[in-house]
Amino acid sequence: QVTLKESGPALVKPTQALTLTCSFSGFSLSTPGMRVHWIRQPPGQALEWLARIDWNDDKFYSSSLKSRLTISKDTSKNQVVLRMTNMDPVDTATYYCARMLSAWGLDYWGQGMLVTVSS
Amino acid sequence: DIVMTQSPLSLPVTPGEPASISCRSSQSLLHNNGKNYLDWYLQKPGQSPQLLIYFASDRASGVPDRFSGSGSGTDFTLKISRVEAEDVGIYYCMHALQTPHSFGQGTKVEIK
Repeated sequence: QVTLKESGPALVKPTQALTLTCSFSGFSLSTPGMRVHWIRQPPGQALEWLARIDWNDDKFYSSSLKSRLTISKDTSKNQVVLRMTNMDPVDTATYYCARMLSAWGLDYWGQGMLVTVSS
Repeated sequence: DIVMTQSPLSLPVTPGEPASISCRSSQSLLHNNGKNYLDWYLQKPGQSPQLLIYFASDRASGVPDRFSGSGSGTDFTLKISRVEAEDVGIYYCMHALQTPHSFGQGTKVEIK
């Protein structure tokens, strides 16, 4: 059974950094073709793709957020971590992690975690 | 970066009737392996998105056959043959051809 769950602070202050952890089970990020993505959704708005890390440690980022994002993985712990620096109120959103095997769609998603940026 | 554009943004539907959503990409999503790297997702109210279609026309596991995807290159369509009440929500297309990936703006489907 594949599951993913996001964790981290629900509230961060402007200019602070946000660190989110995606803890997963039921698959291994060392399997060739396996990928974990981060996606966010501001309240009432559309989905926005943020970043991806692959089984071979290749990393990819949103063009507009690239300077602020860092994605990493700990295969032994079955975790993927996303760090976003210099948080702003416009970064208030529900943050999701999701799995993709090769290019066969984001087939499993976490429940999402609402992060609010406010002083 | 590839830009994804959906239409319409709002779609009132009648149960039992068909429905169709369009998605266009700013660049061709046709890979040299012959597959179109276009996914469709449904986000039901209060839930995480769920995968409906990948490679433009392949239904994901457990997805009812009333959902179908078609298209190639830059023009894609999601069709629901007979809408059911449980199909309400926001539908998104997403390209997976290259990074960065990107989603369309979403199409909100609601019952008339």
